[in-house]
Amino acid sequence: DQQVKQNSPSLSVQEGRISILNCDYTNSMFDYFLWYKKYPAEGPTFLISISSIKDKNEDGRFTVFLNKSAKHLSLHIVPSQPGDSAVYFCAASLDLYNTDKLIFGTGTRLQVFP
Amino acid sequence: GAVVSQHPSWVICKSGTSVKIECRSLDFQATTMFWYRQFPKQSLMLMATSNEGSKATYEQGVEKDKFLINHASLTLSTLTVTSAHPEDSSFYICSAMRLRLAGGETQYFGPGTRLLVL
Repeated sequence: DQQVKQNSPSLSVQEGRISILNCDYTNSMFDYFLWYKKYPAEGPTFLISISSIKDKNEDGRFTVFLNKSAKHLSLHIVPSQPGDSAVYFCAASLDLYNTDKLIFGTGTRLQVFP
Repeated sequence: GAVVSQHPSWVICKSGTSVKIECRSLDFQATTMFWYRQFPKQSLMLMATSNEGSKATYEQGVEKDKFLINHASLTLSTLTVTSAHPEDSSFYICSAMRLRLAGGETQYFGPGTRLLVL
């Protein structure tokens, strides 16, 4: 049973536009959510996170929104840049302070074209 | 920033041989490290939790005798794939837990090791 789902396997966005990556989860006990960026043949790199007590967290061009009632979170990248082209994984944890059990989504491949 | 390294970055081996993969935290100590594997176009799946000075905790369905984990120091964990078979071919990624300034811990990932078993 996939507890964290990224239903869009790929997304293509023009440079300068907004990229919106979506993630849905089923377990209402998840307390902390993270986004990772992954290039081919590399490990994931932590990007941004949000705890369940917030509905928005912003870091530069990256903003994560959390809608707990809908069990949905999204990552907004604006403006999108070609270097943002990568696979993005959302992950969830049951514990804000102990993220040892991360449940990952299947990833969304973002391609930003000029 | 935190750096986690893995060695080797890729390995090709014959079926039946054993392969050791090292995971190191370069600028911090990690009492807990994790080993994941990722098949093409699939999510990262946690295989086991590696605890310094104690036995690893394996996830359901992961054979502990096949995937040997040793966490000998606070900066090194090793994964040994014993008697590797073609179905073990995958991308293996480790991560290490590091304390966050704001409290709690976050996982930092290594670059991964691609294993191809012929």
